[in-house]
Amino acid sequence: SQELEQSPQSLIVQEGKNLTINCTSSKTLYGLYWYKQKYGEGLIFLMMLQKGGEEKSHEKITAKLDEKKQQSSLHITASQPSHAGIYLCGADRMSETSGSRLTFGEGTQLTVNP
Amino acid sequence: EAQVTQNPRYLITVTGKKLTVTCSQNMNHEYMSWYRQDPGLGLRQIYYSMNVEVTDKGDVPEGYKVSRKEKRNFPLILESPSPNQTSLYFCASSLWHMANEQFFGPGTRLTVL
Repeated sequence: SQELEQSPQSLIVQEGKNLTINCTSSKTLYGLYWYKQKYGEGLIFLMMLQKGGEEKSHEKITAKLDEKKQQSSLHITASQPSHAGIYLCGADRMSETSGSRLTFGEGTQLTVNP
Repeated sequence: EAQVTQNPRYLITVTGKKLTVTCSQNMNHEYMSWYRQDPGLGLRQIYYSMNVEVTDKGDVPEGYKVSRKEKRNFPLILESPSPNQTSLYFCASSLWHMANEQFFGPGTRLTVL
């Protein structure tokens, strides 16, 4: 089973509409990352959240981490076709053997219709 | 320009023919990692490296090998590729293993016939 659950799996919105993507973990998140991916291409870093209650914004995208550090949301205001792509959340996971590693949710496919 | 490069970008091969996908970063990053991305399964980590000569298994290491002889390079080796290794592969690097933005390469699309 996925350590990170993303919802919805896919989303189709009309240009100009607001939308929210959620990322949920059953365990406390040490670091939560949001990435965007164009189909078949590499991932582009959007934001990193670490503290409970933290909120960051970049242009029309806002990400929040809840107080318990088990859920994050990504909100896009007044969506544009350029926002289309796959949004993935990732989290630092402590390894039993050494250091930590990054695990990802399955992603949310966003389509923005003009 | 700070970047992670992968080669080749596309590769079609046959079962059992050894191949290497190269990964190089020019940011002096300590941490490097390989992922594979498959429909319905998301992005899964294959191997990662905390530093030179230090590597560890990720979620799906079977059938893969890696080496980290230099800080900048982290090749992925498939000794005997099989069709279930057909996938989109990404290399990534970051300054440190936690609380750091990971920079991703452009991806290598591998098809094993």
